[in-house]
Amino acid sequence: DAKTTQPTSMDCAEGRAANLPCNHSTISGNEYVYWYRQIHSQGPQYIIHGLKNNETNEMASLIITEDRKSSTLILPHATLRDTAVYYCIVWGYQKVTFGTGTKLQVIP
Amino acid sequence: GAGVSQSPSNKVTEKGKDVELRCDPISGHTALYWYRQRLGQGLEFLIYFQGNSAPDKSGLPSDRFSAERTGESVSTLTIQRTQQEDSAVYLCASSLGTDLILNTEAFFGQGTRLTVV
Repeated sequence: DAKTTQPTSMDCAEGRAANLPCNHSTISGNEYVYWYRQIHSQGPQYIIHGLKNNETNEMASLIITEDRKSSTLILPHATLRDTAVYYCIVWGYQKVTFGTGTKLQVIP
Repeated sequence: GAGVSQSPSNKVTEKGKDVELRCDPISGHTALYWYRQRLGQGLEFLIYFQGNSAPDKSGLPSDRFSAERTGESVSTLTIQRTQQEDSAVYLCASSLGTDLILNTEAFFGQGTRLTVV
């Protein structure tokens, strides 16, 4: 399975864009990149996913590099409620495997 | 229900006792996943089901852990002779399938918080 690496933690000022990077250099051609987040004491919440094109939804944007070896999740206007652990995962044929995630702290 | 349901939400058990954790996936979801999350750590994959079969059990920490699924619906994760290191939140997720063609997301339950004392 492709592995992902993310920074352990990041801070972001409220109202500013939060850019969360993820490396997945061993991703194979037909594996998708998914992002989930987990707010304290809750189950993980789906955010967005993509294959090779950039994607945008009401929550976030996902930028995937042309070689697909890395991606960036963008929260355009971070709020205090966005404080959570963000997981970048690669969905392979058989299972979804999570890394340790990035703890995003949004600061007032 | 509309989402993935797990029970109990909290379980305190004595060391050495057996526990059963239940997961009710979203109706129609053929894939079901179990994860463990220890305090302050990331999600650790345990096992997944495609239908009622478990093609990959590699994440189960020891032979004290087992899981089954029946009727392509409810799944039970059983931990025998619990140890203190088993204390964690056990999360269940389901999705329409593992086939990438379906390009679908996994929905998570709220988890069962297990405390072994």
